[in-house]
Amino acid sequence: KAGVTQTPRYLIKTRGQQVTLSCSPISGHRSVSWYQQTPGQGLQFLFEYFSETQRNKGNFPGRFSGRQFSNSRSEMNVSTLELGDSALYLCASVAGGSTDTQYFGPGTRLTVL
Amino acid sequence: AQSVTQLGSHVSVSEGALVLLRCNYSSSVPPYLFWYVQYPNQGLQLLLKYTTGATLVKGINGFEAEFKKSETSFHLTKPSAHMSDAAEYFCAVSAMDTGRRALTFGSGTRLQVQP
Repeated sequence: KAGVTQTPRYLIKTRGQQVTLSCSPISGHRSVSWYQQTPGQGLQFLFEYFSETQRNKGNFPGRFSGRQFSNSRSEMNVSTLELGDSALYLCASVAGGSTDTQYFGPGTRLTVL
Repeated sequence: AQSVTQLGSHVSVSEGALVLLRCNYSSSVPPYLFWYVQYPNQGLQLLLKYTTGATLVKGINGFEAEFKKSETSFHLTKPSAHMSDAAEYFCAVSAMDTGRRALTFGSGTRLQVQP
């Protein structure tokens, strides 16, 4: 079974631009969560989607948004990029149960210049 | 709300020695606890998790952890370190009041294994 796929793997943007990252969960998984990993703040929860609905949101500004499609694929968008948005963005998928394991993708490395 | 404290940002052991990575958590409701490992330029891989039931949890690659409610701890151990264990390890917690899939991570412990 294929794992979680994230595209692109690497991205370079400049301040003020916007970016869209994509995550394809494991086949059959209905929940997708997003995390930001930076050297200073560590791993932080961004949001979770289940059946196309945002079910939970972390403490990030409104510039960070996401959505989930009917095939469970998810995208996250960051508008008006800031230098501090440079990070590894990780996506995780879960089958659906509350005790199910979250499987993480390899991440998208975003660099903001 | 929950929090996780990992004692020691860097731990160095000799190959064949015991690995002990410490994790203490704070949660006002029964927690779910996890240990993940991250190799360079990769995502996170689950080593083991505690949800309910048996407090001694065995995971992959010979790792295990024990949930001690009285000590609010979930330390990760492995009897004999291998060179391939060198990586960064993250302890995480989730709870019903903030969403079971909203993991709160510790700051990580980088494990170095000396030959």
